Amino acid sequence: QKEVEQDPGPLSVPEGAIVSLNCTYSNSAFQYFMWYRQYSRKGPELLMYTYSSGNKEDGRFTAQVDKSSKYISLFIRDSQPSDSATYLCAMRGSGGSNYKLTFGKGTLLTVNP
Amino acid sequence: EAQVTQNPRYLITVTGKKLTVTCSQNMNHEYMSWYRQDPGLGLRQIYYSMNVEVTDKGDVPEGYKVSRKEKRNFPLILESPSPNQTSLYFCASSTFTGTGKVWQFFGPGTRLTVL
Repeated sequence: QKEVEQDPGPLSVPEGAIVSLNCTYSNSAFQYFMWYRQYSRKGPELLMYTYSSGNKEDGRFTAQVDKSSKYISLFIRDSQPSDSATYLCAMRGSGGSNYKLTFGKGTLLTVNP
Repeated sequence: EAQVTQNPRYLITVTGKKLTVTCSQNMNHEYMSWYRQDPGLGLRQIYYSMNVEVTDKGDVPEGYKVSRKEKRNFPLILESPSPNQTSLYFCASSTFTGTGKVWQFFGPGTRLTVL
């Protein structure tokens, strides 16, 4: 079993839809969870950074972490064509190797006008 | 302007010819790291550095070296490149504030082809 699993999509939604992106993981040592957005031919951009379980909201984006289920989600409300990109989840533990990141393979999202 | 720069942006080389990809950041960030991105495999961390002279392996360190002699620079060295190192490489720098906020920036990427 891979440490981090992410459905690669592609996912296509109409403008204004609520988008749900998800990752599952197997390593219970992961404590920090991140979501990135990557436009074609660009470097990733950090969208959300959360610690342990719970929700975090930033504008149209909400990140959820359920450590008991080893499941994280990113919700995008009122999706826009400019949200079309690949979304990557990533996670890391704490302690000595606390900056070793493990990524999902990314989900390609298209928001259609 | 806060930025991470990488050079070169594109490189075609031959097997065995040593090369260095430079990475520099102007934000005084403590953390820097290197990633490679391959179709179907996603983004994988090669090496990271938590500060000057402090580095550690990521998930795919084989065939790579790094050094962190200055805070702003974190070069990636391929001593004897092989075709399986053909990839898109990203450098990133980041810092963590006392309030739990993270600032992280990625460079524009270096597309490397090893023939």
